Amino acid sequence: EAGVAQSPRYKIIEKRQSVAFWCNPISGHATLYWYQQILGQGPKLLIQFQNNGVVDDSQLPKDRFSAERLKGVDSTLKIQPAKLEDSAVYLCASSLELGLRGYTFGSGTRLTVV
Amino acid sequence: AQSVSQHNHHVILSEAASLELGCNYSYGGTVNLFWYVQYPGQHLQLLLKYFSGDPLVKGIKGFEAEFIKSKFSFNLRKPSVQWSDTAEYFCAVNADNAGNMLTFGGGTRLMVKP
Repeated sequence: EAGVAQSPRYKIIEKRQSVAFWCNPISGHATLYWYQQILGQGPKLLIQFQNNGVVDDSQLPKDRFSAERLKGVDSTLKIQPAKLEDSAVYLCASSLELGLRGYTFGSGTRLTVV
Repeated sequence: AQSVSQHNHHVILSEAASLELGCNYSYGGTVNLFWYVQYPGQHLQLLLKYFSGDPLVKGIKGFEAEFIKSKFSFNLRKPSVQWSDTAEYFCAVNADNAGNMLTFGGGTRLMVKP
């Protein structure tokens, strides 16, 4: 079974630039999550999708972060404009629709803002 | 909101030593509990999970964890560690009032000396 695919693997940008990350979940997984993992901390949920609808985006900094999952499959997370404190690993995860079955993380995108 | 505490930030052990990593959470309701491992440069991998039933859970690679509800704890154990267990370990909690969101602890970095 293919895992959760994310790209790019690494990204370095200057502050105030914009950046986008892509995630393709495991086939058949209706629920998709974006987490932010700052160095030395555990992952923190940014947004959760169920198919193409947002379930929870309460911890997403909406003034600069946006995410979409238009066709209910792959998803894009965007930051515009980026700040130094956005430097982190952005993890995508997916799970089956019911509960937490099959919860699987991707390898993440490491973002460095300079 | 629930929180997860991992009190040991760094642990150094020699091979064959026994391991116990602490995890405590703050939520009085029903929880699902997880331990994830992150090897250097790799993505989060599920070690074990507890949803219900026997509070002593066995996972992959010889790891086990015990859910003690009265202590709000879910400590990870391994009788004899190997050099290949060098990694960062994260405890995560899903509370029954939080949908599918996982709340992670800050992680414990384990180094096993050969």
